[in-house]
Amino acid sequence: GESVGLHLPTLSVQEGDNSIINCAYSNSASDYFIWYKQESGKGPQFIIDIRSNMDKRQGQRVTVLLNKTVKHLSLQIAATQPGDSAVYFCAVGSGGYNKLIFGAGTRLAVHP
Amino acid sequence: DVKVTQSSRYLVKRTGEKVFLECVQDMDHENMFWYRQDPGLGLRLIYFSYDVKMKEKGDIPEGYSVSREKKERFSLILESASTNQTSMYLCASSIGTDGYEQYFGPGTRLTVT
Repeated sequence: GESVGLHLPTLSVQEGDNSIINCAYSNSASDYFIWYKQESGKGPQFIIDIRSNMDKRQGQRVTVLLNKTVKHLSLQIAATQPGDSAVYFCAVGSGGYNKLIFGAGTRLAVHP
Repeated sequence: DVKVTQSSRYLVKRTGEKVFLECVQDMDHENMFWYRQDPGLGLRLIYFSYDVKMKEKGDIPEGYSVSREKKERFSLILESASTNQTSMYLCASSIGTDGYEQYFGPGTRLTVT
């Protein structure tokens, strides 16, 4: 079945730097990809998503890049702020009923 | 704004007790999901439901059951709680056909002693 992995369990950055969080998936037929942010004590919140017919999508300070050739997904956060400190999950749409398969999460720590 | 609410933020139960976790969504979503979240393991799907009275097993259904008698409400039941079910439980809903985005509740942290 589908598996989703993240390259780093933790990432530490300076305030104002750009952050890049990576994710790999196994099923080349996957057609939907989504990033969530989870702050302490809260449920995951949607950040940005992308379908397989695109390779890049931008939001406010965030960009998702999709490389279907190597089955790799990344989330870029520009000018990282202390409020960006959280755990970030990638998830891949898989199978029927619109299920999502989640990666283990990367904890982003932003230092002043 | 989609709202997914869970009945408790924190719950402490004893081994062997029957435990009910309730989830309610207010956006008429077809699909509802129950996950457990453990450090280093991400979110693992326990059960999901795509319609009233319909349910499907996820990746880790053992020791759990679910009930969906009304469209807006999805309950997770631990028939006989065990210490290895101590975890964060997250409920989510999604619109249904062609709608992958899931909206999550705040979670219930369950401790079984």
